[in-house]
Amino acid sequence: NAGVTQTPKFQVLKTGQSMTLQCAQDMNHEYMSWYRQDPGMGLRLIHYSVGAGITDQGEVPNGYNVSRSTTEDFPLRLLSAAPSQTSVYFCASSYTGGEKLFFGSGTQLSVL
Amino acid sequence: AQSVTQLDSHVSVSEGTPVLLRCNYSSSYSPSLFWYVQHPNKGLQLLLKYTSAATLVKGINGFEAEFKKSETSFHLTKPSAHMSDAAEYFCVVSPYGQNFVFGPGTRLSVLP
Repeated sequence: NAGVTQTPKFQVLKTGQSMTLQCAQDMNHEYMSWYRQDPGMGLRLIHYSVGAGITDQGEVPNGYNVSRSTTEDFPLRLLSAAPSQTSVYFCASSYTGGEKLFFGSGTQLSVL
Repeated sequence: AQSVTQLDSHVSVSEGTPVLLRCNYSSSYSPSLFWYVQHPNKGLQLLLKYTSAATLVKGINGFEAEFKKSETSFHLTKPSAHMSDAAEYFCVVSPYGQNFVFGPGTRLSVLP
């Protein structure tokens, strides 16, 4: 069982470039989310989804887009990368809020 | 609204001595509470979860946490620290059906 699969593991972008971080889960979870982790700030919620076709903003949504066309997939798009988006990104899924979160292995993104 | 405060950004203990990592939370609903651990350059792993069944929750690797509603606290303890416990620990609050809010993390160092 794969759990939460997140790709790529590492990425370097130039300012202004766009890219998509992929996230897929095979546990039929309704809840999926994207976090960024910066030193001393814990994990901050970027966007989340409570089911296919439903997405909403988290704490730090600016500069990011998401969509949820299927239960399994929840890609995160950086529209025009900025150095402030240099961070480690985690995708996570859960049956619902209040249940255990399953995490992907993370993406280390550097924007030059 | 939910929030989490982890009272110490860094805790240092000697191997074999007790560990105490402090967490206070606020929540508009009756929340689920979690502790996650992140070892260096690794993903996040669930240590334990509270869901109102019992106020003392036992987790993996000898950790436990006590829910105190009157103090809105959920402190993590371990009787005897091991070198392998050195990691970042995150307290998380999530009411059922709601989002997950992470604390800023506490870095635990274990000295030989």
